[in-house]
Amino acid sequence: EAQVTQNPRYLITVTGKKLTVTCSQNMNHEYMSWYRQDPGLGLRQIYYSMNVEVTDKGDVPEGYKVSRKEKRNFPLILESPSPNQTSLYFCASSTRLGGEKLFFGSGTQLSVL
Amino acid sequence: AQSVTQLGSHVSVSEGALVLLRCNYSSSVPPYLFWYVQYPNQGLQLLLKYTSAATLVKGINGFEAEFKKSETSFHLTKPSAHMSDAAEYFCAVLPGGYQKVTFGTGTKLQVIP
Repeated sequence: EAQVTQNPRYLITVTGKKLTVTCSQNMNHEYMSWYRQDPGLGLRQIYYSMNVEVTDKGDVPEGYKVSRKEKRNFPLILESPSPNQTSLYFCASSTRLGGEKLFFGSGTQLSVL
Repeated sequence: AQSVTQLGSHVSVSEGALVLLRCNYSSSVPPYLFWYVQYPNQGLQLLLKYTSAATLVKGINGFEAEFKKSETSFHLTKPSAHMSDAAEYFCAVLPGGYQKVTFGTGTKLQVIP
């Protein structure tokens, strides 16, 4: 089954404790992206990747890192999480941009205390 | 830069009534336009997309949207609401040749029995 898998589904952590949210897709997609969803703000892009070893900042990259060492994986790293990073995070992938739809993971609800 | 405006963060309709969710966009070049739906505790799923082939686009679950260039609009409609349509709906724009999808802030649809 074609899918984007995110882990964990829920995560509670404390300020400053490094964490990684994993994202994996099994569709051989070139394009992958991370979004955060906050009430009243919709989805805002954090980082995206056009292919292996090619990443770029989205609208709200501060406090986040990503890497794309393999085509299928695109982890999101919070080196020193802060309470303002409490949010619902989504990973998405696509064959390429230009009219193709995004496939979304089920989301990761992160709470930073 | 592109942007999307969704009028009405919450819309309530009676079961069987017309659903109309509004979306206006701005883009410096001809865009691709999308409507995504998010059911509770799930990721986003594509409802329909406009890629310049036809101005009236039909999607899944009886939804359709019409691209109106003169009004820079891409409103989503469904003739008769069903209880299962209760969800949050997001409009998104991708300017042609660009790599960034911009989402609106979302509209929560409530269907009243």
